[in-house]
Amino acid sequence: GENVEQHPSTLSVQEGDSAVIKCTYSDSASNYFPWYKQELGKRPQLIIDIRSNVGEKKDQRIAVTLNKTAKHFSLHITETQPEDSAVYFCAATFTGGFKTIFGAGTRLFVKA
Amino acid sequence: GAGVSQSPRYKVTKRGQDVALRCDPISGHVSLYWYRQALGQGPEFLTYFNYEAQQDKSGLPNDRFSAERPEGSISTLTIQRTEQRDSAMYRCASSLAPRPIGTSGRGYEQYFGPGTRLTVT
Repeated sequence: GENVEQHPSTLSVQEGDSAVIKCTYSDSASNYFPWYKQELGKRPQLIIDIRSNVGEKKDQRIAVTLNKTAKHFSLHITETQPEDSAVYFCAATFTGGFKTIFGAGTRLFVKA
Repeated sequence: GAGVSQSPRYKVTKRGQDVALRCDPISGHVSLYWYRQALGQGPEFLTYFNYEAQQDKSGLPNDRFSAERPEGSISTLTIQRTEQRDSAMYRCASSLAPRPIGTSGRGYEQYFGPGTRLTVT
């Protein structure tokens, strides 16, 4: 069935280090992969997204890579800061772009 | 401009009662999604609208759940005969376009509302 798996569930890094979160998806027809950041008590907010015809996309300190063959995509945050601490969700679209399935989330702690 | 709004923000109801949750999307957004989010978990897809048409309702847990968007703008998610297991945060999201546009996917990104926290006692 439609599924997105996300790892790790918790990640703790020192300020200035890099953080990597990985996701896999089940439907090879998926073509859009957004990443959301959710701070405590707030709504999820889009931080970066990638289409299936692109292998990598970067926006300042964050980047996303996609391996269509392996059905893997990853979020990379460099030079982490305490304000990066939040829960991050990956997602993938299924069935023609209508249905979005989210991963279970990664709680990122950045220690000052 | 105004973002996605939802009402009520909090709803406490007794088991067996019906509830109606409202979502007001960003003006001009074609697509509207409903999700349920348990504490510490990712949003769980419930249903999706493109204009007023309900394109996918495969995520609705059972026939006590229904949703409508009669004029292609405001949407209502209704839960009949609520049960304690229905307690959760219900979020809606809207997007400008029904599909990713071009290589960037611009216009397809979903903007989430603040959610309605439903508690069934």
